[in-house]
Amino acid sequence: DAKTTQPPSMDCAEGRAANLPCNHSTISGNEYVYWYRQIHSQGPQYIIHGLKNNETNEMASLIITEDRKSSTLILPHATLRDTAVYYCIVRVGGGNQGGKLIFGQGTELSVKP
Amino acid sequence: GAVVSQHPSWVICKSGTSVKIECRSLDFQATTMFWYRQFPKQSLMLMATSNEGSKATYEQGVEKDKFLINHASLTLSTLTVTSAHPEDSSFYICSGAPPTDTQYFGPGTRLTVL
Repeated sequence: DAKTTQPPSMDCAEGRAANLPCNHSTISGNEYVYWYRQIHSQGPQYIIHGLKNNETNEMASLIITEDRKSSTLILPHATLRDTAVYYCIVRVGGGNQGGKLIFGQGTELSVKP
Repeated sequence: GAVVSQHPSWVICKSGTSVKIECRSLDFQATTMFWYRQFPKQSLMLMATSNEGSKATYEQGVEKDKFLINHASLTLSTLTVTSAHPEDSSFYICSGAPPTDTQYFGPGTRLTVL
């Protein structure tokens, strides 16, 4: 699976949009981009995933560049409860298909009042 | 999303004893479950892939005789830490997925070995 690069930390003001970047320049054509987050001392929480089209759900939006070498997770109106470590992972397969997730260091997002 | 539970949520044991951690998929059947370990201030590290009815596949560097994994049913996988030592103290997390959906994680089990 391709490797991802994320900034180690970011700050965001409460109520503003949080834009978390991820580079995955070696991504293959059949690899999906997944985003998870981990709030302190809890298990990771699934946020969103996509292949090449932009995706949106009730939690966030995922913007993938046309060349698929990078993506951005957008939390439209960040709250204090969004403070967490956010992980960008690339993996073969959009469903389960037995594919394992390899976690990098992630981005520690701090939402401040 | 699908729900995964773990039991216990935390456990303290004496050095040399064995500890069993359960991972259950509550509202779906998981042919594959995964076990991760996380040390303080570090990311999750995949330990093994657990397939229902067959032997687990361990990641490089993970001792299969120390971390026994059993996936006896489509809703239950167990991790047994045998002869635990203080260096095994960690946060253990499992995940599973419905057949056509992504992985969902349990809340984790914090193990402290005295």
